[in-house]
Amino acid sequence: GAVVSQHPSWVICKSGTSVKIECRSLDFQATTMFWYRQFPKQSLMLMATSNEGSKATYEQGVEKDKFLINHASLTLSTLTVTSAHPEDSSFYICSALRGDRGFETQYFGPGTRLLVL
Amino acid sequence: DQQVKQNSPSLSVQEGRISILNCDYTNSMFDYFLWYKKYPAEGPTFLISISSIKDKNEDGRFTVFLNKSAKHLSLHIVPSQPGDSAVYFCAATIGGSQGNLIFGKGTKLSVKP
Repeated sequence: GAVVSQHPSWVICKSGTSVKIECRSLDFQATTMFWYRQFPKQSLMLMATSNEGSKATYEQGVEKDKFLINHASLTLSTLTVTSAHPEDSSFYICSALRGDRGFETQYFGPGTRLLVL
Repeated sequence: DQQVKQNSPSLSVQEGRISILNCDYTNSMFDYFLWYKKYPAEGPTFLISISSIKDKNEDGRFTVFLNKSAKHLSLHIVPSQPGDSAVYFCAATIGGSQGNLIFGKGTKLSVKP
């Protein structure tokens, strides 16, 4: 099956610092990747759609200048949380889209737990 | 405004019995529905899906039923096994593509030996 990895799996940082999370598709190329955020007892909320070689598309209410997304290759997308604050503490999950148009499947990474002190 | 709702946050079932997880949706434009299974500290894993042109899809112990008129779908697991204990997310999309999934909040299933 398709494998998607995330690094790091967890991170603790001080308020005001920036944190970069990597999402890799290990055995397939992904033109499109997605970034989700999940707060406790809540559903996965799509933050943005990352397209290789072009700008990411952000969902309403997600600050693009705070959550920087770079999809520089077909196997790697990065999410940088800039000037992180405690309210950014959450579980961040990426997914990669694999398959032909209309028959795609999202494969999810294991997630990254971010705690901002 | 939640477009996909899983009203039961948790469900406990005895091993060997049937587990029924429910999901309701409000957007009549949704035409493709998926169930994902998620273990702690892991990302969701695709389980089974159903297109709106069908009312049932079966894969081994897992069956998904869709009632379009009621905007309701359910996942049946039979027989339930302890390894099925996880959080199950219902998701919906438009156009048959998984490109834009709308997730429910999930139901935590506990299967007791």
